[in-house]
Amino acid sequence: DAGVIQSPRHEVTEMGQEVTLRCKPISGHDYLFWYRQTMMRGLELLIYFNNNVPIDDSGMPEDRFSAKMPNASFSTLKIQPSEPRDSAVYFCASSFTSTGNQETQYFGPGTRLLVL
Amino acid sequence: GNSVTQMEGPVTLSEEAFLTINCTYTATGYPSLFWYVQYPGEGLQLLLKATKADDKGSNKGFEATYRKETTSFHLEKGSVQVSDSAVYFCALNPGGGADGLTFGKGTHLIIQP
Repeated sequence: DAGVIQSPRHEVTEMGQEVTLRCKPISGHDYLFWYRQTMMRGLELLIYFNNNVPIDDSGMPEDRFSAKMPNASFSTLKIQPSEPRDSAVYFCASSFTSTGNQETQYFGPGTRLLVL
Repeated sequence: GNSVTQMEGPVTLSEEAFLTINCTYTATGYPSLFWYVQYPGEGLQLLLKATKADDKGSNKGFEATYRKETTSFHLEKGSVQVSDSAVYFCALNPGGGADGLTFGKGTHLIIQP
């Protein structure tokens, strides 16, 4: 299996621009998670989906952030407009439900975002 | 709410030394507990996990025991190697279904030859 795939790996943009991060979960996984990692706040859950439906978006920092999962193999996290404080590493992770439990989350390599 | 507290780093040890990274948690219900490792420039990899009290997770010489009485999940290794240098994260899943993970701040481990 190729694992969780994220693109781009690095993104440098200017304040005010739209940024779109992409994720392809592991085939067969029914849960998808977006996390953000910063030095100050560590790893934070932003949003997660089950069977393409958003379940909990309470971690999404502001209305500037939005996430979609149009199908089981693709998700996007969009920031519009971007601000310097959005600079972070954004991770996507996926997991699957077995006998009613979902446990291990598998992480992608992350997208390192720098907003100037 | 749920939270995870782990020891601040960086932790610097010599090769073959004994390692302990402390982790304590606060959670309602019966969480599952995890240790993830992050190597420079990479994503997080699951190191080990435990899903109920007194379970011991182990992998690559690392061990951690789920202690409900002390709400702890300390990571140990008997003899560390330079290749173990990384950032280690303790995390919990609240349990009872699907939720995102709550992570500790991470502990940067440096092993010197």
